[in-house]
Amino acid sequence: DIVMTQSPDSLAVSLGERATINCKSSQSIFYSSNNKNYLAWYQQKPGQPPKLLIYWASARESGVPDRFSGSGSGTDFSLTIRSLQAEDAAVYYCQQYYSAPYTFGQGTRLEIK
Amino acid sequence: QAQLVQSGSEVKKPGASVKVSCKASGYIFTNYLMHWVRQAPGQRLEWIGWINPGKGDTKYSQNFQGRVTITRDTAANTVYMELSSLRSEDTTLYYCARANEGGFAPWGQGTQVTVSS
Repeated sequence: DIVMTQSPDSLAVSLGERATINCKSSQSIFYSSNNKNYLAWYQQKPGQPPKLLIYWASARESGVPDRFSGSGSGTDFSLTIRSLQAEDAAVYYCQQYYSAPYTFGQGTRLEIK
Repeated sequence: QAQLVQSGSEVKKPGASVKVSCKASGYIFTNYLMHWVRQAPGQRLEWIGWINPGKGDTKYSQNFQGRVTITRDTAANTVYMELSSLRSEDTTLYYCARANEGGFAPWGQGTQVTVSS
């Protein structure tokens, strides 16, 4: 199984500042035949299901603010949220969908100062 | 737009089975894989398996092989996840989630399954 490891486990960032969450996969999740990284990012707020933010490592899901951006390739990825808003307080997960079982990171809790 | 609505909470005894449903609307049901994922408090999200509603073929995580069965009813646009031989560790929240172009979206609201004697 591919192990997904996020860092940090939690972080507190001030309103209007930038937050960066990292995700590392135990093996490459880049598929050379289509030049895509099989990596997604989700946001989960209390009492709600996860919400897809980013897929193919950097493609923003429809309706997601452009404050959210994803980057990286191979085994190392990042989610960056710029100009933090109060509503961005949540737990963020990365997920690989390169090969089953489709595994998730342990989650990063983002607190807004 | 696409929406998934799951069945309500369940309480089961150890050793019993539970069957959770997920009704899809707002898109062509047979065109997208449907996944099941569970989330225990304080644990990471755990993928259970998927079904191709068009063909009916399935793929399961080895962690659940032999205990889980995912089926579909195309006339009702509904997918089902049945978990057998329940134990206390299966007490958690279960989600259905549609395959997106990449990743999973949307997700159902979640179904709490509690296993208790």
